[in-house]
Amino acid sequence: DAGVTQSPTHLIKTRGQHVTLRCSPISGHKSVSWYQQVLGQGPQFIFQYYEKEERGRGNFPDRFSARQFPNYSSELNVNALLLGDSALYLCASSLRAGGSYNEQFFGPGTRLTVL
Amino acid sequence: DQQVKQNSPSLSVQEGRISILNCDYTNSMFDYFLWYKKYPAEGPTFLISISSIKDKNEDGRFTVFLNKSAKHLSLHIVPSQPGDSAVYFCAASPSPAGGTSYGKLTFGQGTILTVHP
Repeated sequence: DAGVTQSPTHLIKTRGQHVTLRCSPISGHKSVSWYQQVLGQGPQFIFQYYEKEERGRGNFPDRFSARQFPNYSSELNVNALLLGDSALYLCASSLRAGGSYNEQFFGPGTRLTVL
Repeated sequence: DQQVKQNSPSLSVQEGRISILNCDYTNSMFDYFLWYKKYPAEGPTFLISISSIKDKNEDGRFTVFLNKSAKHLSLHIVPSQPGDSAVYFCAASPSPAGGTSYGKLTFGQGTILTVHP
């Protein structure tokens, strides 16, 4: 069974540019969450989508946006990139929106470098 | 405001011995806890979880203990193996009463575990 897939694997952008990251969840999973991980820290929650609706938003500026498609895949968009946006962006999928025994399974991540 | 804390940045143990990784939390709305393992250049891999209605959950070499009154959980790995060397994250999820973000995981900073042969 395919796990969570993300594309691209690596990305280099310059300040002010826009980036789109993509994620395909595990088959049958309806929830997709996005996390940002900077070096030396744990992943930080950005967004959660369930059944194509936003269910949660972390403490990130409006430059960050996301959406979920009818096939449950998802995109994370970041506008006006800053140097501080350089990080590993992780996508996680789960069966339900939350609650106990609703483990989230992570993809390999997209490494974004902003120069 | 760090709601989930892993106060030990690193831990070194000998192969075959027990590894104990600790995690503390402050938010009383957390009611589901998970441990993840992460290798470099990979996403976190789910290891084991525990609901707040339990105080222990076991899966093979991995056991998670939860002390709700102390807001503390720990992961025991017995026996430790060199392949267990990785960064370990604890994460917490709020109850449905926590609002629309009840699927949000809050992670600790991670503990680097090194198991020596």
